[in-house]
Formats: sequence, structure tokens, C-alpha cells
Amino acid sequence: GAVVSQHPSRVICKSGTSVKIECRSLDFQATTMFWYRQFPKKSLMLMATSNEGSKATYEQGVEKDKFLINHASLTLSTLTVTSAHPEDSSFYICSASLSGGDNEQFFGPGTRLTVL
Amino acid sequence: AQSVAQPEDQVNVAEGNPLTVKCTYSVSGNPYLFWYVQYPNRGLQFLLKYITGDNLVKGSYGFEAEFNKSQTSFHLKKPSALVSDSALYFCAVRDGPTDSWGKLQFGAGTQVVVTP
Repeated sequence: GAVVSQHPSRVICKSGTSVKIECRSLDFQATTMFWYRQFPKKSLMLMATSNEGSKATYEQGVEKDKFLINHASLTLSTLTVTSAHPEDSSFYICSASLSGGDNEQFFGPGTRLTVL
Repeated sequence: AQSVAQPEDQVNVAEGNPLTVKCTYSVSGNPYLFWYVQYPNRGLQFLLKYITGDNLVKGSYGFEAEFNKSQTSFHLKKPSALVSDSALYFCAVRDGPTDSWGKLQFGAGTQVVVTP
């Protein structure tokens, strides 16, 4: 149980275009989802916390108009990178937290974004 | 505010020898502590956690960790390392039940290299 999927696993896009990444909790309901960014061989940087039905809370320094997050249901959150630039190239990882309990996070497999 | 320190960028160990990956933390309340492992271009896999109870926690793949409150440490250990344990290991902390969203603070990561 507690499986989180991400789609796509890899995406290559041209500079200036927008890219949407989906994060799904497959077998549980997640009231909270988190979006992280990871640079090569570096730690995970929390970008935003997403609660179902409400606006995402962004960490300091993360542009909310650049990284649009939608958490429309208890099993789906999306991250849209708008007007992507090469510096947005990174590994994006989502996680989902079970409703109630001790709020343990379960991580998706990640999405590799390359902006040309 | 919470923080995590992993003092070693890389740990090298020969196969069959004991493996230790160090982690120290700082939180204002009660710590919830986690260890995750990441293989190249993959998401994070959960290894073990400490919430409360016995200070020695046993996890997946033969790993264990000991919570030491006085030293504010949560070192990861494995008695006999395997080549397949070579990966990037992350320690993470959450400020217990006071953080209702369950936000995690990750350490910088430690690359483990196990040589045959």
C-alpha cells in the first residue's frame, strides 16, 4: 500500500513552453502533497505544500506564478512549470501524506525535466 | 525551526564490513526522524523511522538506527554492507506533532559506496 506515482517520468521541452507533472496517490487518500526539487547529487528542496481544495503554500524564494500547483482531489496534485527555461531543468519529486495518522510522507519516483 | 546535518558527503566501505551513516538533528519539540535511500534517477525509498518508543529502530534491507536524545543523533547502521547498498542516503526530521502538515527537513545526503 501507500503507492505514489508521477507522470511523466521524463520530459524534454523547448524553452518558453509549459510542462505539467502529475502526482497521484494510488491506494490512499492524501490530504497533503508536497513538491520537491532536487539538483544532481543534492538534497531535496521543498518547493510547496499542497492541501486538497485550497491554495498551495510556497516556500520562500519559490515563484508561485512560475510553478503552479493544483490539488483538485484527494488523489491528484499537479505541478505546472510555466514558460520553462533551461535553469528549470531538474528532478522534481512529489510526496503524499496520509489523512490522519502520523502524517508519514510517501514519495513518488520523480520526474526528470530537461528544458532545451 | 528544524534542521538536519549529515556530516559526511561520502562513506566508503568494503562489502561485508559494518556501515554507519551519521545524522544529527535540531528541533524545538519532539523529533520524528526518518531515513530514506535514493538510487540514481529514482524517488526516495523509506528505510525506517523513529516516532516514539524503543530507541533502536529496525527497518528495511537489514538497516537499523538508534535514536540518541542526549546527542541529538539518529545514525543509520548496517552490520554487513552489500554492494547493492551503494546509493544516496537521506536523513530527515519533522517537528513532531506540532507540525500538522508533516513538513520534513532533509539533510544534504550521504553517498554510500560499497566496494566488492
